[in-house]
This record gives sequence, structure tokens and C-alpha cells, in this order.
Amino acid sequence: ELKVEQNPLFLSMQEGKNYTIYCNYSTTSDRLYWYRQDPGKSLESLFVLLSNGAVKQEGRLMASLDTKARLSTLHITAAVHDLSATYFCAVILSGTYKYIFGTGTRLKVLA
Amino acid sequence: EAGVAQSPRYKIIEKRQSVAFWCNPISGHATLYWYQQILGQGPKLLIQFQNNGVVDDSQLPKDRFSAERLKGVDSTLKIQPAKLEDSAVYLCASSLEIFGNSYNEQFFGPGTRLTVL
Repeated sequence: ELKVEQNPLFLSMQEGKNYTIYCNYSTTSDRLYWYRQDPGKSLESLFVLLSNGAVKQEGRLMASLDTKARLSTLHITAAVHDLSATYFCAVILSGTYKYIFGTGTRLKVLA
Repeated sequence: EAGVAQSPRYKIIEKRQSVAFWCNPISGHATLYWYQQILGQGPKLLIQFQNNGVVDDSQLPKDRFSAERLKGVDSTLKIQPAKLEDSAVYLCASSLEIFGNSYNEQFFGPGTRLTVL
């Protein structure tokens, strides 16, 4: 069974600081997604990573994928309050159409 | 471009009652997904349709949950009878295609928050 784990589960950080969220998955996957969810809101797609070594950047967020290590990272540079949200990674189990979401990382950026 | 629409946005029912949720995906999107998101957890895929056919429903509690996608467009998810543990947000998402060379990006609706008393 494919398991997707994120750490940390909760992250409180000061504005201007850098930090990394980790997403580990337990078996082969075809692709990895990162989503953002604000409280009481739906999910917003941030990145889609398709291959080993893929790196995507948007503003202060950068995502990368290492398929050999079964690891993706979401790096936050110089955090601002607007980045406060819950971040989810999700993978597709190879050979299936099943999406498995991670446990989520709840990020709070303090002014 | 209009996004994924869901209704109702909120629903409160008593256990053993029935409830139905409706989803209208983005126009032209062949694939539609229903997820259950329990508070503090990530979304769990319940069922996935491509056009009007079921692709995956392995995590759908079929003794009480049912879903259909008539004509390959709108979809309804029904719970009958509801249990306390069904309290969650039910998210609908759609995407253009399943596999191929696209990113298969999912677009999510606002969700329906269900409370079972």
C-alpha cells in the first residue's frame, strides 16, 4: 500500500526565514503534486513534478523531486505571512489512477 | 473559465439520514474525482470517473456510499444511511485527461462540509 508522509506536520516560522517541507512516499510513483489549502477553502495546485530531478519554482516556493529516494521537498525562501496555509503533497500510484495525499503540513508564518 | 461547482456548501443531518452532493466539473474535463477530507487529514480518494465510467472506487464504502456521473458531465455522491464518522468535507475535482503527456492537473471545487449529528 502506498503511503505518503510529510514532515513536519506543523511549522511555525518567522517572516524572512527559510524552511523546507519534506514529502516521502513508500513506493514507485509516476508523478508528484503539491497543493496549498487555506482554512475553510479548497485545494489550489502549486506544482506538478514529473521526473527525477525535476525542479519547479514560483515566487518564494521551490519544489523538487528525487524519485530514487522517493522524496520531494518544498522549500520556502524568506517566508511572508501570506504563505500561511496547509501544504499537501500527493502522488499517483504507478500503473493505477489512484491519487494518494500526504498528511499535510500546517504552516504558520509569524510577523 | 468557470471552475468546479459544488452544492450544497454546507449540510447538517442526523445519523441514519440520507444526503446527496452535486458536482459540475470544468467544461470539457473528462475525469472527475470525489474526495473525502476529514478535519486535519489529507483528502482521500473515494471514486474516480472518466467520462461516465468508473476508473477507481476501491476506497468507496459501497454499503452506504454511491456515486454516478450521468452523461459524463455532472456527478452526484450519495450517502445512505449516514454515520457520525462521515462528517467531513467532500471535495470534487476534475481534470482534462487521465494519462498521456499532460500534467493531469486536478482542479478542485469549494467542497461540501457535512456534519452528521
